[in-house]
Amino acid sequence: DAKTTQPPSMDCAEGRAANLPCNHSTISGNEYVYWYRQIHSQGPQYIIHGLKNNETNEMASLIITEDRKSSTLILPHATLRDTAVYYCIVRSSPNAGGTSYGKLTFGQGTILTVHP
Amino acid sequence: GAVVSQHPSWVICKSGTSVKIECRSLDFQATTMFWYRQFPKQSLMLMATSNEGSKATYEQGVEKDKFLINHASLTLSTLTVTSAHPEDSSFYICSAPRTSWQETQYFGPGTRLLVL
Repeated sequence: DAKTTQPPSMDCAEGRAANLPCNHSTISGNEYVYWYRQIHSQGPQYIIHGLKNNETNEMASLIITEDRKSSTLILPHATLRDTAVYYCIVRSSPNAGGTSYGKLTFGQGTILTVHP
Repeated sequence: GAVVSQHPSWVICKSGTSVKIECRSLDFQATTMFWYRQFPKQSLMLMATSNEGSKATYEQGVEKDKFLINHASLTLSTLTVTSAHPEDSSFYICSAPRTSWQETQYFGPGTRLLVL
C-alpha cells in the first residue's frame, strides 16, 4: 500500500472548518484513501473514504485532487470533541485480494487540536 | 452504537502471568479480525490477522508463541499474552471489517494492559 505524509499537528478554532491535508504521491489506480481518527485512549473511528471522486458524509468531506496524489479531509464546523489524531491511510481495494486484504497501516497521523 | 467490543477494558497483572483479551463483533459476523498494539505517543502497529477456523497470521517480529490468537467463532477472537512482562504493557486494539464491498473496518475500544 502507498505511504502517506501528514503534518504532525494542526490547530483549529471551534466552529471553523478544519482542513487536514495528506500527501500520497505514490498512490496507484486501485488504491483508496481512507480517513480514521483516534480520540485519546479510544479505538480508531472510521470517518470517510474515497477513490477519486470527492465524498461527503455526516462527519466530513473528502477532497481528492485530480491526479490523486493528495487529499484533504474537511471537518466543516469543528467542535472541541473533534480533537483527536487523524490518520490518512491508502490501501488497495478489498477486491484486489492478496495477503494485504483488510490490513490498515497506520502512520503517525495529524494531531488536531480544536480550541475554544 | 459500538459494533466491536473488547473485554476487559483494562487489566493489571503480575509479571509472568497470562492475560486473555476478547474481541467481539456485536451485530455482524467477522471471518477476519485484526489485532493492533499501541505504545504511548505512538501509532497503531498491526500484530496479527485472526482468521476464523484457521491459524492466525503474524506480522514480522511478533512472537506467535507469546501472543496466542484464537478465532473460534464468527463473532469472537481472543488474544492471550502469555508470560507477560512489563514491556508488554500497552494498549491492545482489535478491529473487524463488516462484510460489505467497501469493507469499512470497525475498531474496538481497546484494552489497556499494565504488567507490574
